[in-house]
Amino acid sequence: EVQLLESGGGLVQPGGSLRVSCVASGFTFSTYAVGWVRQAPGKGLEWVASITATGGSTFIADSVKGRFAISRDNSKSTLYLQMNSLRAEDTAIYYCAKAVYNVGWYMGFDHWGQGTLVTVSS
Amino acid sequence: QSALTQPASVSGSPGQSITISCTATSSDVGSFNYVSWYQQHPGKPPKLMIYAVTNRPSGVSNRFSGSKSGNTASLTISGLQAEDEADYYCSSYTTSSTSIFGGGTKLTVL
Repeated sequence: EVQLLESGGGLVQPGGSLRVSCVASGFTFSTYAVGWVRQAPGKGLEWVASITATGGSTFIADSVKGRFAISRDNSKSTLYLQMNSLRAEDTAIYYCAKAVYNVGWYMGFDHWGQGTLVTVSS
Repeated sequence: QSALTQPASVSGSPGQSITISCTATSSDVGSFNYVSWYQQHPGKPPKLMIYAVTNRPSGVSNRFSGSKSGNTASLTISGLQAEDEADYYCSSYTTSSTSIFGGGTKLTVL
């Protein structure tokens, strides 16, 4: 069974940094692209970032470009999102998700974690 | 600026069919061939219902189907059931190598 378990969320002050993680199991992590999608309280979904299976290519939303970075450690089956210069508008549940195919990260995400809440507030 | 426009809400009675539209308002989605649809119940993560416009993941009911015409993609749910009541989001790949979501549609089963 595919499982994605996020961690690392919490309360951080504006301008601060946070790294959230996602441990994957139940599939060969190193052969699939994965990504992060966030959802502000009471709002819709927003794609944040994706990374290819090898980690050789990353894709970042304009809204977080220059502040967030996505990375992965295939030896640990773990996905990361490093978030710097956080703003109040970054407050959201951050979901980790697995690509439906082992090629083409953009085809869709077929498995999702339960999410981790990041709150940016003073 | 890429955008996908969805109706804020749709409704239908049990047994009926409904369609949710997703219209691309710019050419940034290219051929619009990488459209996916997600279902989200309150307090739950999204669930993939359709990918690459028309493909249904294993385990998803065949009551759900996807299509596309020009710059508008559609999700059709036939034989509406109470459990289908949820929020639905479309998503598309863009020519800028990013992904975007529509604003979401709340489906109410009357």
